Amino acid sequence: GESVGLHLPTLSVQEGDNSIINCAYSNSASDYFIWYKQESGKGPQFIIDIRSNMDKRQGQRVTVLLNKTVKHLSLQIAATQPGDSAVYFCAEPYSGGGADGLTFGKGTHLIIQP
Amino acid sequence: GAGVSQSPRYKVAKRGQDVALRCDPISGHVSLFWYQQALGQGPEFLTYFQNEAQLDKSGLPSDRFFAERPEGSVSTLKIQRTQQEDSAVYLCASSGNRNNSPLHFGNGTRLTVT
Repeated sequence: GESVGLHLPTLSVQEGDNSIINCAYSNSASDYFIWYKQESGKGPQFIIDIRSNMDKRQGQRVTVLLNKTVKHLSLQIAATQPGDSAVYFCAEPYSGGGADGLTFGKGTHLIIQP
Repeated sequence: GAGVSQSPRYKVAKRGQDVALRCDPISGHVSLFWYQQALGQGPEFLTYFQNEAQLDKSGLPSDRFFAERPEGSVSTLKIQRTQQEDSAVYLCASSGNRNNSPLHFGNGTRLTVT
């Protein structure tokens, strides 16, 4: 079936380095993608989103890249900090959840090494 | 409050017991969602409300699961005759009134069925 998934379950980076988290999606009809961050014991927190008519969008220390040709999404975090340790999920619209319902991938656990 | 509030934070139930999980969405948010998150997995869609109307309940795993939002604000997810496979974190999210509004999640209720 159509789904959103991630390439790596765990990513370990040195503090201060840049992190790149990848996501592959299979629903070519999706027109909106979102990245969420989930810290231990908390609910997912919105980071950044991108519409399918864009290739790149930048936020504060984060950049999302969308490659529709290969159906690939990535989240880049600049100068990774200890507070960035979390599980990161990409998500796309869920067909049954009205305008805002989402389908989530399995997540990538980002670990920051001191 | 400023965010989505869920209670209780933790719930331990013996197999066969009924449980009720509460969600207070962000004031004024029309859309409300329930998700189930198993350990090490991404959130899975359960059901969706627009005001008091339950527009999609296709994600509810069995007829033991029931959700309501009688006045279009607070919502309750009820699980009857709990089973061990119901153990998970139950997340509630709400969203605003424009298309592709980000979901705002609560911190969830961790349900453990023994």
